[in-house]
Amino acid sequence: NAGVTQTPKFQVLKTGQSMTLQCAQDMNHNSMYWYRQDPGMGLRLIYYSASEGTTDKGEVPNGYNVSRLNKREFSLRLESAAPSQTSVYFCASSTLANKVDYGYTFGSGTRLTVV
Amino acid sequence: QQPVQSPQAVILREGEDAVINCSSSKALYSVHWYRQKHGEAPVFLMILLKGGEQKGHEKISASFNEKKQQSSLYLTASQLSYSGTYFCGTETGRSYIPTFGRGTSLIVHP
Repeated sequence: NAGVTQTPKFQVLKTGQSMTLQCAQDMNHNSMYWYRQDPGMGLRLIYYSASEGTTDKGEVPNGYNVSRLNKREFSLRLESAAPSQTSVYFCASSTLANKVDYGYTFGSGTRLTVV
Repeated sequence: QQPVQSPQAVILREGEDAVINCSSSKALYSVHWYRQKHGEAPVFLMILLKGGEQKGHEKISASFNEKKQQSSLYLTASQLSYSGTYFCGTETGRSYIPTFGRGTSLIVHP
């Protein structure tokens, strides 16, 4: 099925460990995004990539890095995990082909717990 | 700047109507609406752009009031499947990236 695929779905890390969250889309979208969702906070943008080869910081980038590997793949790396990074992480993609209907397609999410 | 959604929660019986509001302190370029069921990813419902006033179909529609800097989502004759958290996302400039509100929880009982 076409869409956005995220791996892993669940992860438990110890403080200080590193990990990479993977995201791939097969809809030929140019733009990709990483959000975190915390209870009562809504969705907050961590990083985004408007097109292949570009990345930019969002609202809450500290403690994260990203790589836009190619048009399909956009990964999020936690270099030294902290308990404050316990959250649900969503990857999303969109197209600006018509600049009218550019809603996001979200992946199923990664539930990350840092102990 | 994060938009403000109201109410925070709505509890309905099947067949009742609901209105969810999304307000911004700045002029709006667009408003996005999403629905998220518990434990799942948000799902895109619709986007309203500056210059447009209404969108959607008979059961779920939204309005966009530029002067009031707000949008409202209308759920008519609600069904059990409408339960979930509704998020609005607003653009105050032409960034193509919305800032999301904190969500409105909608519970529909039989």
